Parts: sequence; structure tokens; C-alpha cells
Amino acid sequence: EVQLVQSGAEVKKPGESLKISCKGSGYSFITFWIGWVRQMPGKGLEWMGIIYPGDSDTRYSPSFQGQVTISADKSISTAYLQWSSLKASDTAMYYCARSPSTVSKNYFDPWGQGTLVTVSS
Amino acid sequence: QSVLTQPPSVSGAPGQRVTISCTESSSNIGAGYDVHWYQQLPGTAPKLLIYGNSNRPSGVPDRFSGSKSGTSASLAITGLQAEDEADYYCQSYDSSLSGGGVFGGGTKLTVL
Repeated sequence: EVQLVQSGAEVKKPGESLKISCKGSGYSFITFWIGWVRQMPGKGLEWMGIIYPGDSDTRYSPSFQGQVTISADKSISTAYLQWSSLKASDTAMYYCARSPSTVSKNYFDPWGQGTLVTVSS
Repeated sequence: QSVLTQPPSVSGAPGQRVTISCTESSSNIGAGYDVHWYQQLPGTAPKLLIYGNSNRPSGVPDRFSGSKSGTSASLAITGLQAEDEADYYCQSYDSSLSGGGVFGGGTKLTVL
């Protein structure tokens, strides 16, 4: 079974750093893209960025470029989303999801269970 | 502001047919990029419902169907059931964005 398992919920203070993870199993991790999606409380889905673990090719939405860093460690089939200095506005649910492509066939399937990040002083 | 525009809400009675539109503000859908649809039940992660405009993944009931024409795509749900009450999102590719992926704003489906 193809599965993406994300790290647990985090509670952080503004200015702190954070790295959350997404571990893939049941498929060849290096041959699919892994994307990250933000969902702020009560809001819709936002496409953040995507990485190809095979060669670490990474693309960011302009809204998130410079705000987060996406990386992957193919040796342990894990992708990461990290912040160097969190803001209260980063409070959201973050999902990782697998994609076969970045262009036309860029659908996400399956999705991880989500990681809730709460940033509060 | 999303480049993919969806109605904020739609509703229907059990057994009825409803459609959700996804209109591209640029020419991306018309340029041939695929549109995909997701269902998000309350408190859960999104689930792929339709990919490549009209393809259903294994396990998705055939009550769900997708289509695309010009700059607009649609998701149709027939034989509406109470468990279909959820948020629905379209997604496509936007060549004007460096990352490429974009979601619609989402549509809340209420089963009356």
C-alpha cells in the first residue's frame, strides 16, 4: 500500500525554527514528486511547492518562495518542510502528497494525514 | 486570488444531481492542462476524486464524473448521498507560476 506518514503536531513560538517530515512507503520514493499543501484554519488548500527526491529538483509557488524550504532525504524516503523563523500566520495544517508530474499530470495521490502547526506566544 | 474560480457553495437534496464548476481566469485550462478534483470530508485529508479531467481512481464511485470544455471544468455528482457533504477543490497547472500548481478556492457541498 502506498502511504505517506507525516510527523506529529507542533506548538511553537514566533521566531522559532521548525522542520516537519513526510515518510513515503510502498513505492519507489525517488520516482515521484512530493508536494506540500497549506490549509489555514477554516480556509482552502494552497499549493506551496514540490520536490523530486531523485535529484532534489524543487519548485515553489511565488507565495511561498523564500518563506519555507522543501528538501528530501532519499536514503530514508522522507521529505521535509522547514521554517527558519515562524510567524503566527504560519499556523495551519500542512499536508504532503505524492504527484507523478509537475505539469499536466500534477495531481496529488495519496495524501499524508496532515501536520498541525500552531505558532503562538 | 485563485486563478481557478469555484462557487463557494452548492446544495442538493438526496438523490439529486449537482455540478461544481471550475473556471480558469487565464487560458490555462484552454491550453490543455489537466484539471483534477479532490474531496475533503470534515476533519480529514483531501482525497483524489478525478484526475486528468475525467478519470476516476480505483474505488471512487461512478456517481462522480468530471469534464472539461474550453476554459471551464466541471465535477458532477449524481444520486447525491448524505456522505457526499464535503468541500470540493479543483486543481490544475498554471504556467505563469514558477511552481506551477494551483488550487481553486473550494466549494462547500451541502446535502439538504
